[in-house]
Amino acid sequence: NAGVTQTPKFRILKIGQSMTLQCAQDMNHNYMYWYRQDPGMGLKLIYYSVGAGITDKGEVPNGYNVSRSTTEDFPLRLELAAPSQTSVYFCASSDNLRTSRGTEAFFGQGTRLTVV
Amino acid sequence: GENVEQHPSTLSVQEGDSAVIKCTYSDSASNYFPWYKQELGKRPQLIIDIRSNVGEKKDQRIAVTLNKTAKHFSLHITETQPEDSAVYFCAASSIGGRSQGNLIFGKGTKLSVKP
Repeated sequence: NAGVTQTPKFRILKIGQSMTLQCAQDMNHNYMYWYRQDPGMGLKLIYYSVGAGITDKGEVPNGYNVSRSTTEDFPLRLELAAPSQTSVYFCASSDNLRTSRGTEAFFGQGTRLTVV
Repeated sequence: GENVEQHPSTLSVQEGDSAVIKCTYSDSASNYFPWYKQELGKRPQLIIDIRSNVGEKKDQRIAVTLNKTAKHFSLHITETQPEDSAVYFCAASSIGGRSQGNLIFGKGTKLSVKP
């Protein structure tokens, strides 16, 4: 049972480069999330999705884009990398929070991104 | 949108003592409040959660209380052990309405349990 899988685990980007952080889950969860965690700080919500074809901005969406073409995948795109985007990125998924069984958000192992 | 405030940012206790972490939220539509534990270099993991129709929930040494009127909820850890040392995050989410799925976290509390 893989759970939530993120790739890559580490990446160094130059300013202005672009990249896509991949996230896939095999739990058939409707809800998926992208967070960034700066050193010693909390988790800031970048984007989230409540189902395939639906995405919404979170607290800090500027500089990022997402898509949700399938239930399983929720990639995060950085178009023009900036030093301020240096962070650890976590993808998470959960079942529909309306249901009694679907409450826990499962996190991927994180992607450590450095922009130089 | 939702805003979650968490206090304290750091907490140091002696092994065996109790630890309490408090959070407040702003959106009265929020009705799901989980707590996550994150060990150094690892992913956050759920330790306990509570829904708005319940005032208190307990799981062994961990308990969470919720006061919907005051919009605050707290994590209580009793008989703390060194392995409880980690960063703890509270979060709030609405499981209905327009903002459902918007899981917002507090800034975290670094708990240190001294042997």
